[in-house]
Amino acid sequence: LAKTTQPISMDSYEGQEVNITCSHNNIATNDYITWYQQFPSQGPRFIIQGYKTKVTNEVASLFIPADRKSSTLSLPRVSLSDTAVYYCLVGDLRNNFNKFYFGSGTKLNVKP
Amino acid sequence: IAGITQAPTSQILAAGRRMTLRCTQDMRHNAMYWYRQDLGLGLRLIHYSNTAGTTGKGEVPDGYSVSRANTDDFPLTLASAVPSQTSVYFCASSEDGSSYNEQFFGPGTRLTVL
Repeated sequence: LAKTTQPISMDSYEGQEVNITCSHNNIATNDYITWYQQFPSQGPRFIIQGYKTKVTNEVASLFIPADRKSSTLSLPRVSLSDTAVYYCLVGDLRNNFNKFYFGSGTKLNVKP
Repeated sequence: IAGITQAPTSQILAAGRRMTLRCTQDMRHNAMYWYRQDLGLGLRLIHYSNTAGTTGKGEVPDGYSVSRANTDDFPLTLASAVPSQTSVYFCASSEDGSSYNEQFFGPGTRLTVL
């Protein structure tokens, strides 16, 4: 099973770069790595996705080493509004159907 | 506005009662999912459906059932609610069930079973 492990929580200050690492030792060949963000009382929303090396969008960067057993979400210059829970998600293929397993999430607390 | 709607927003239910949580999407997505979220446990998949007419079990399916009669609707039923089913329930959808498709989440239903 392609389950994931993340730090439970992280603290940061406004303006800093934040890196959150996710471990997924059993990732399958066809799996992509996806990160979601969740604010209190809301459903998660998509941030970024990648398969290997590096992906960057307007919100974040995702670094994936060659063995794909881990990935790092990088948030540049965080603000107070980035305080949220961040989930690392890896797809799990079984009998031609996907079962998605969210990690326990990392609660990021950005301080002024 | 395209997206996912869930109903009710919240509900208090007596143990032993039957309850159906509703989920509707208008994005014509093939795959739909139900998750529960409990404090400290993150999101756990209950059931999923990769296309209308098919369903599958997720990580925590016991005590829940689903149906997928059409593309848009994916109701979750608790046949006889128990207090351990107190949770926030999220419905989600994606274009299909592959891992590279973004999941879109509804606003959630907060269920309390007494």
